[in-house]
Amino acid sequence: NAGVTQTPKFRVLKTGQSMTLLCAQDMNHEYMYWYRQDPGMGLRLIHYSVGEGTTAKGEVPDGYNVSRLKKQNFLLGLESAAPSQTSVYFCASSLPPLFASLDTEAFFGQGTRLTVV
Amino acid sequence: KNEVEQSPQNLTAQEGEFITINCSYSVGISALHWLQQHPGGGIVSLFMLSSGKKKHGRLIATINIQEKHSSLHITASHPRDSAVYICAVRSRGNEKLTFGTGTRLTIIP
Repeated sequence: NAGVTQTPKFRVLKTGQSMTLLCAQDMNHEYMYWYRQDPGMGLRLIHYSVGEGTTAKGEVPDGYNVSRLKKQNFLLGLESAAPSQTSVYFCASSLPPLFASLDTEAFFGQGTRLTVV
Repeated sequence: KNEVEQSPQNLTAQEGEFITINCSYSVGISALHWLQQHPGGGIVSLFMLSSGKKKHGRLIATINIQEKHSSLHITASHPRDSAVYICAVRSRGNEKLTFGTGTRLTIIP
């Protein structure tokens, strides 16, 4: 099925450990995004990419790194996990910028629930 | 104060009831979006509005630009409508996208 696939779906890390979240889309979308969702707060943009080989910082980029080596994949890395990074992470992709124009369709992944202890 | 406020935070209703979810925002916007987050976590886009009203099936979205307010209505609600509904606004000028905290809707059979 076409869409956005995130792996893993769940992960528990110890403080200081590193991990990479993978987002894959098969719709040939240019724009890809990583968001985090925390209780009592709206989705917040971590990093985004406007095309293969490009990345840019969002609202809350500290503690994260990203790479877009292939158009279909957008990786989110945590080099040294902290309890403050406990969250649900969502990846999204779209052809033009996310929700930028009428009838633009955006696709979100199922989310990755990360707990840092 | 958050730039995007939704109410209620939680809503439980009986199947068949008419549902209204509200979204108020404090910035000038170029567009407002309603999203649906399924219990499994996936998020889908329902509507994008810049003025007036849109209808899709049993869902109706309205926006009042002067009052900085939007509503999402569900007619003849069904248990499969149970989800979190999220309002998001795109700020005029910098095009920043800001999300509300969501309204958790539960429809009881």
